[in-house]
Amino acid sequence: ETGVTQTPRHLVMGMTNKKSLKCEQHLGHNAMYWYKQSAKKPLELMFVYNFKEQTENNSVPSRFSPECPNSSHLFLHLHTLQPEDSALYLCASSQDRYGYTFGSGTRLTVV
Amino acid sequence: GDSVTQMEGPVTLSEEAFLTINCTYTATGYPSLFWYVQYPGEGLQLLLKATKADDKGSNKGFEATYRKETTSFHLEKGSVQVSDSAVYFCALISGGSNYKLTFGKGTLLTVNP
Repeated sequence: ETGVTQTPRHLVMGMTNKKSLKCEQHLGHNAMYWYKQSAKKPLELMFVYNFKEQTENNSVPSRFSPECPNSSHLFLHLHTLQPEDSALYLCASSQDRYGYTFGSGTRLTVV
Repeated sequence: GDSVTQMEGPVTLSEEAFLTINCTYTATGYPSLFWYVQYPGEGLQLLLKATKADDKGSNKGFEATYRKETTSFHLEKGSVQVSDSAVYFCALISGGSNYKLTFGKGTLLTVNP
């Protein structure tokens, strides 16, 4: 079950660049999430949106700016990132207790 | 709060060996339980799930049984293949957490030919 599409799959950006990650789901789910997965670290929940409203921000630096224009789309805007922000960024969606569906992720490298 | 504890590994097996990855949980009420798998360079995929006590989830030869009395959801496979090499995450959703998914730390499995 794919259901959640993330673009791009890979992104290399300089520390002064501005870029955006995109996530799209057509599963009819009401919640969407951004996770960060760094090497040898547990999955970190960054942001939660329910019915387009942000309901959770886990102390994420302001250089990461999420946007949820509707229940099917979620963006993560990136600016002035640091090399330690290099990671796999995963988007997911869910509906109540039936489990999350994850995208394939965007592998971000900050140079 | 909710929590999931799974054996951290890494686990290294030979092809056709039996696999068990232990998972125990703490949660309010009656959570739904999941195993996710992450193949190298990929996102997480739902492997199997169980939504009530004594349910058995199964997929691709993997099985796990929801044991409420021992608060466990151990993952098993009778005969692993090289293609099963991946990271496996145990997880739960409980109503008391606003349906937030709580993950274990993941177990890296490597299967050698």
